[in-house]
Amino acid sequence: NAGVMQNPRHLVRRRGQEARLRCSPMKGHSHVYWYRQLPEEGLKFMVYLQKENIIDESGMPKERFSAEFPKEGPSILRIQQVVRGDSAAYFCASSAYLDEKLFFGSGTQLSVL
Amino acid sequence: AQTVTQSQPEMSVQEAETVTLSCTYDTSENNYYLFWYKQPPSRQMILVIRQEAYKQQNATENRFSVNFQKAAKSFSLKISDSQLGDTAMYFCAFMKGGGSNYKLTFGKGTLLTVNP
Repeated sequence: NAGVMQNPRHLVRRRGQEARLRCSPMKGHSHVYWYRQLPEEGLKFMVYLQKENIIDESGMPKERFSAEFPKEGPSILRIQQVVRGDSAAYFCASSAYLDEKLFFGSGTQLSVL
Repeated sequence: AQTVTQSQPEMSVQEAETVTLSCTYDTSENNYYLFWYKQPPSRQMILVIRQEAYKQQNATENRFSVNFQKAAKSFSLKISDSQLGDTAMYFCAFMKGGGSNYKLTFGKGTLLTVNP
């Protein structure tokens, strides 16, 4: 059973470009969470999704950021018009049920030049 | 809102020795979970140990154990017989209980280096 898969592992973008980060949850998991880790910081919650639904996006910036988890395919975190402050490691986690153990991927390191 | 504080940015220990990482938290909740996650250079977040607040018994996983002091809101991690592979960032984290909660609140981490 493969773990949570994130790609790409590293992503470099210039200011103003779009970044698309992908996350495939563990098999059988329908709950997906995105977290962001800024340098020298712990992970901070961004958004929680179930299949085709955003349940809680309270940690996500109101502008330029969006997330989806379609019926088929991976969850996508999309950042439009990236700025240098978006440079961070973005982690995806999944769980089979709420209030259950979260399994994390290895993250995508986004660097904005 | 909950906060998690790790007061030791860096620690080091000799191989085979024991080390304790500190964590304190602040919450008004009575039902919650506490976690220690390990993040090695590969960046993977690995769950080390989990403690339910309603359990008085301290959780243990092989060489890893916690000292959970609910009244003091303290949750330290003890690593016995340290190994080189234990070198990593260690994050303490909090999650509200109740069956409908999912947000982890993390501390800033402690970088542990195990020296040969």
